[in-house]
Amino acid sequence: NAGVTQTPKFRVLKTGQSMTLLCAQDMNHEYMYWYRQDPGMGLRLIHYSVGEGTTAKGEVPDGYNVSRLKKQNFLLGLESAAPSQTSVYFCASGSQPSNQPQHFGDGTRLSIL
Amino acid sequence: EDKVVQSPLSLVVHEGDTVTLNCSYEVTNFRSLLWYKQEKKAPTFLFMLTSSGIEKKSGRLSSILDKKELFSILNITATQTGDSAVYLCAVPNTNAGKSTFGDGTTLTVKP
Repeated sequence: NAGVTQTPKFRVLKTGQSMTLLCAQDMNHEYMYWYRQDPGMGLRLIHYSVGEGTTAKGEVPDGYNVSRLKKQNFLLGLESAAPSQTSVYFCASGSQPSNQPQHFGDGTRLSIL
Repeated sequence: EDKVVQSPLSLVVHEGDTVTLNCSYEVTNFRSLLWYKQEKKAPTFLFMLTSSGIEKKSGRLSSILDKKELFSILNITATQTGDSAVYLCAVPNTNAGKSTFGDGTTLTVKP
């Protein structure tokens, strides 16, 4: 079972470059989430989606955009990367109702130089 | 604004010790509280608590919820080095469809 798959696993960018992180889930989940995790901290929500074609801002959305054109995919974009966006990014998905456990991908380690 | 606070932020114990991790919360539309364990990579689900006073148990791990005082505890007895991890507490806001996570407790178990 694949579950939640994130690509790429690692990436190094230069300041100002753009990139897209891909998250795919095969559990037919309605909800999908993008988090970032910085050293010694928990998970901070960047953006999330409650269904195909819908997205909403989390607590740290600035500098990121998302799209959910297909139910199984949730893309996170960085238009102009900044060193402050160096972090580990986790994607998660969850079924209805939204208080159910989330299933996480293995993370993408992103470094911005 | 929803808020989840975990304590302590870090803890170092020796194998065989018992530990108690704390999670307090302020969330609108509360329905459940969840505990996750995070080792090297992805957080994995441990427990979901919805009712006060009912203990959830899995091997040496157990957890309980107090909805009146708005907190939960996670107990680990007879700790092993494999219990070393970050333990995360999360509370969903079901109206918003999202969860708020605490900063986690980093547990280190020394042999």
